[in-house]
Amino acid sequence: AQKITQTQPGMFVQEKEAVTLDCTYDTSDQSYGLFWYKQPSSGEMIFLIYQGSYDEQNATEGRYSLNFQKARKSANLVISASQLGDSAMYFCAMRDPSGAGSYQLTFGKGTKLSVIP
Amino acid sequence: DAMVIQNPRYQVTQFGKPVTLSCSQTLNHNVMYWYQQKSSQAPKLLFHYYDKDFNNEADTPDNFQSRRPNTSFCFLDIRSPGLGDAAMYLCATSILAGVGYNEQFFGPGTRLTVL
Repeated sequence: AQKITQTQPGMFVQEKEAVTLDCTYDTSDQSYGLFWYKQPSSGEMIFLIYQGSYDEQNATEGRYSLNFQKARKSANLVISASQLGDSAMYFCAMRDPSGAGSYQLTFGKGTKLSVIP
Repeated sequence: DAMVIQNPRYQVTQFGKPVTLSCSQTLNHNVMYWYQQKSSQAPKLLFHYYDKDFNNEADTPDNFQSRRPNTSFCFLDIRSPGLGDAAMYLCATSILAGVGYNEQFFGPGTRLTVL
């Protein structure tokens, strides 16, 4: 069974500073994908960034980057230059190829990020 | 813009009174998912459709049913809501893309209250 662990229930960061949100995973699959989603208080899940298990370079999307360390099975999200609008829940998720031919996501428990002015 | 739409955004129902939540998509994606997310918890997959093929998670209660009449629409029926079914219900879609990137696009969610 696949498992995602986010050990930080809550984090605080000063506006304009960088912050790292931790994510470790456990899988016996060789081919997998890792996602980060942001969930504001309004409830919608917003896709941030994706890392494939065979990708040699760390993924980057604007202010978001993913520190992928395959041997350690970690996929930490780095947010640079934090903004007040970054305050939200952040979920790490792993894509699980199911026998039905579709792709399920297994989510971690999330980290609540609060950006302080 | 192509998107995933959920109606209503907020739904109040009474204990035991059937309720239906709806999801529509303009992305023409093959796969549609329903997740349940309780307060301060991660989303939990209830079931998904790959085209018309229905796939139920083993621990999804029988109280939860789903229908997908066409590619664009998917419904979540809760036959007899209990207090424990109060949650945010998230609909998501994805397109089957082999072993590569396969992002799930989420709707805004429906927050269900059971009185």
